[in-house]
Amino acid sequence: NAGVTQTPKFQVLKTGQSMTLQCAQDMNHNSMYWYRQDPGMGLRLIYYSASEGTTDKGEVPNGYNVSRLNKREFSLRLESAAPSQTSVYFCASNPRTESYEQYFGPGTRLTVT
Amino acid sequence: AQKITQTQPGMFVQEKEAVTLDCTYDTSDQSYGLFWYKQPSSGEMIFLIYQGSYDEQNATEGRYSLNFQKARKSANLVISASQLGDSAMYFCAMREGLRGTASKLTFGTGTRLQVTL
Repeated sequence: NAGVTQTPKFQVLKTGQSMTLQCAQDMNHNSMYWYRQDPGMGLRLIYYSASEGTTDKGEVPNGYNVSRLNKREFSLRLESAAPSQTSVYFCASNPRTESYEQYFGPGTRLTVT
Repeated sequence: AQKITQTQPGMFVQEKEAVTLDCTYDTSDQSYGLFWYKQPSSGEMIFLIYQGSYDEQNATEGRYSLNFQKARKSANLVISASQLGDSAMYFCAMREGLRGTASKLTFGTGTRLQVTL
């Protein structure tokens, strides 16, 4: 039982390049989330998927797109990376109930030069 | 809009002592949840404790307890008998939404705790 996995762990991009961050969970959770963490700040929600087939914007969605490929997988795409998107990206999941905590992946450290 | 405030950027505590990490929140929702997460230097986010807005008792999980004061909108984390392994960044977070909806979290800026000998 791997929990929430993210690939890659590290990535360096040049401004304007595109890439997709992958996230998968093996806990049969309904809801999945993408956050970013910048230095000195807490995590901020980018996009989330309440259930398979649905996606919604979070607090900071500009410059990102997401795909809920199936119940297990939720990917985050940067179409044209910008230095402001340098951050650590976390994927999380939880069952669709009010009290369950979110289970986080190990994070992807992205640098855009 | 929901907001979480953690006013202590850094805290020091001696090993075996108790420490309180402050968290205040602002929301217009009647139903909400409050969480504390630990982030060690390795970077992963570790769930510590949860308090629901309708829970009358303060939540406890081992050495962690949540001092929930609804009227003051505070949800402070108390760590008893601190250990060196407690040195980490601690984040308070709030869930918006009702039962059956996705649990979107709003995080505070965190408190870095350093446990000393």
